[in-house]
Amino acid sequence: GAVVSQHPSRVICKSGTSVKIECRSLDFQATTMFWYRQFPKKSLMLMATSNEGSKATYEQGVEKDKFLINHASLTLSTLTVTSAHPEDSSFYICSASGETDTQYFGPGTRLTVL
Amino acid sequence: GQNIDQPTEMTATEGAIVQINCTYQTSGFNGLFWYQQHAGEAPTFLSYNVLDGLEEKGRFSSFLSRSKGYSYLLLKELQMKDSASYLCAVSGSGNTPLVFGKGTRLSVIA
Repeated sequence: GAVVSQHPSRVICKSGTSVKIECRSLDFQATTMFWYRQFPKKSLMLMATSNEGSKATYEQGVEKDKFLINHASLTLSTLTVTSAHPEDSSFYICSASGETDTQYFGPGTRLTVL
Repeated sequence: GQNIDQPTEMTATEGAIVQINCTYQTSGFNGLFWYQQHAGEAPTFLSYNVLDGLEEKGRFSSFLSRSKGYSYLLLKELQMKDSASYLCAVSGSGNTPLVFGKGTRLSVIA
């Protein structure tokens, strides 16, 4: 099956700093990548859809200036949480799809903002 | 509108069979996915149904009826490690985001 990696798996940062999370498709070309956020015991929440080489499409209520998404190549997308605050602490998960509809998820990044 | 319904929680006994249902009403439909998500981990792909009928993959099977807007995931010979949330998700078209249900939390007990 297709493999998607995320880095880092866990990050702890101080309030006000920025954090970059990388999502890579290791064995296929991901024309589209998706970023989700999940709070404990809650459903996945789609944050944005990112197509290679174009601007991300953000879901309603997600601040594009706070959550910067870059999808510069067919195997890499990054999510930068700018000026992070404690309420941004969450589990961030990316997924990628290529030629088929199947979305393959990365292992997730657990962000804790102190 | 987009609406996907699945039970919130289910409990089943080790070694038994459990069926997790999912009904959907979406504006477009290409296919239906089932994902498994263990606590604290990301979802993992289980199955994808496009055509009506049953797809069997080891202990797990998934069924789809497009005319009824209905799917189920069947887990046989339940093991303790099957305790997880099971997410039903519908694919609309192309590379549009999947629409996820809220997930069914399955607890397997001895």
